[in-house]
Amino acid sequence: NAGVTQTPKFQVLKTGQSMTLQCAQDMNHEYMSWYRQDPGMGLRLIHYSVGAGITDQGEVPNGYNVSRSTTEDFPLRLLSAAPSQTSVYFCASTPGRSGIRFFGPGTRLTVL
Amino acid sequence: DAKTTQPNSMESNEEEPVHLPCNHSTISGTDYIHWYRQLPSQGPEYVIHGLTSNVNNRMASLAIAEDRKSSTLILHRATLRDAAVYYCILRAGGSNYKLTFGKGTLLTVNP
Repeated sequence: NAGVTQTPKFQVLKTGQSMTLQCAQDMNHEYMSWYRQDPGMGLRLIHYSVGAGITDQGEVPNGYNVSRSTTEDFPLRLLSAAPSQTSVYFCASTPGRSGIRFFGPGTRLTVL
Repeated sequence: DAKTTQPNSMESNEEEPVHLPCNHSTISGTDYIHWYRQLPSQGPEYVIHGLTSNVNNRMASLAIAEDRKSSTLILHRATLRDAAVYYCILRAGGSNYKLTFGKGTLLTVNP
């Protein structure tokens, strides 16, 4: 199993550009989530999904969209990037109702 | 949400045991105690979790106080690869999405 994979590893955007951060898992986990981590801070939940076709907002959803058309994939979209979205983004999946998160390696995003 | 309090940083020596404390005085009866760690430039990694009883796995042990207001993550023999930020998190029983990460404890392991 590859576990949780994220692409790209690094990305630089200009203000106003859009992009999609990709996240995929091959463990057949129903629950997936996106977090952002800013320097010196813990992780903050952006959006999450409890299964294909179901998504909901976390603590900091503004400026981000998600969709979940398959169990495997959970992309995060930035419609109009802002410098405040400069951060490291982590995707995670969770088996069943265990609450245990399996995290991907992260995407480091810089918005100029 | 019940909060956790951890020291900002701790130091240990290689091959010695490490006890990482966590206070959670407002924990509710159905809250699970989770521990994660994050190595430099990596995503967080699950370490261990428990509800009431002490737990052991290949990575660490979790000691939970009888009143559940505190817990301790025990690394039995620290190695340089254990240097990381360790997060103590409460998860409401029955809730999968609410996992609030604080700033954690930065563990430094000296050779």
